[in-house]
Amino acid sequence: DAMVIQNPRYQVTQFGKPVTLSCSQTLNHNVMYWYQQKSSQAPKLLFHYYDKDFNNEADTPDNFQSRRPNTSFCFLDIRSPGLGDAAMYLCATSRVAGEADTQYFGPGTRLTVL
Amino acid sequence: AQSVTQLGSHVSVSEGALVLLRCNYSSSVPPYLFWYVQYPNQGLQLLLKYTSAATLVKGINGFEAEFKKSETSFHLTKPSAHMSDAAEYFCAVSVSGGYQKVTFGTGTKLQVIP
Repeated sequence: DAMVIQNPRYQVTQFGKPVTLSCSQTLNHNVMYWYQQKSSQAPKLLFHYYDKDFNNEADTPDNFQSRRPNTSFCFLDIRSPGLGDAAMYLCATSRVAGEADTQYFGPGTRLTVL
Repeated sequence: AQSVTQLGSHVSVSEGALVLLRCNYSSSVPPYLFWYVQYPNQGLQLLLKYTSAATLVKGINGFEAEFKKSETSFHLTKPSAHMSDAAEYFCAVSVSGGYQKVTFGTGTKLQVIP
């Protein structure tokens, strides 16, 4: 089945220690998104790629970076995690970036910062 | 700017009873509206979406939603709740803006009581 895969499902890191979260997709979609979801809150878009074009949300902290080496993979790098960065990180894809396009989500990575 | 408001962070219904989850939107241009469901420790899955065709939209798992422009609402309903419907439900809005930026509501947790 075509899907969006996130690894690891659970990640524990120490305060200030860089961490990388991974997302891969077999849907061959052009767009990949990263969301941050804190407990009992709405998913918040951090950034997205349309093919190789990177689009950062204005309020995404500089501490968050992303890489998309090819169509299938996208990484979220948190350079110096703080306690406030503990959250579920969701990766999503869409075929194109049309306003009516469905986004397909991975299961998420739950990040704990000690 | 677009936004959605979900009334009620928690809703409880008895098994077999009507499910009604409320969503009101705000948008200066015609919106596209979505309902996503999130099961524990999983990503979001599309239930249904409104794309300016029929105002009554049918989705998966017996859910449907009606777009009412006069009320700026897009409430989600299901005639008879099933235990497997227990999850968190997110209403979301998207408008034309060069790329799809989806704004999610804060979610409603549905509890189904046997």
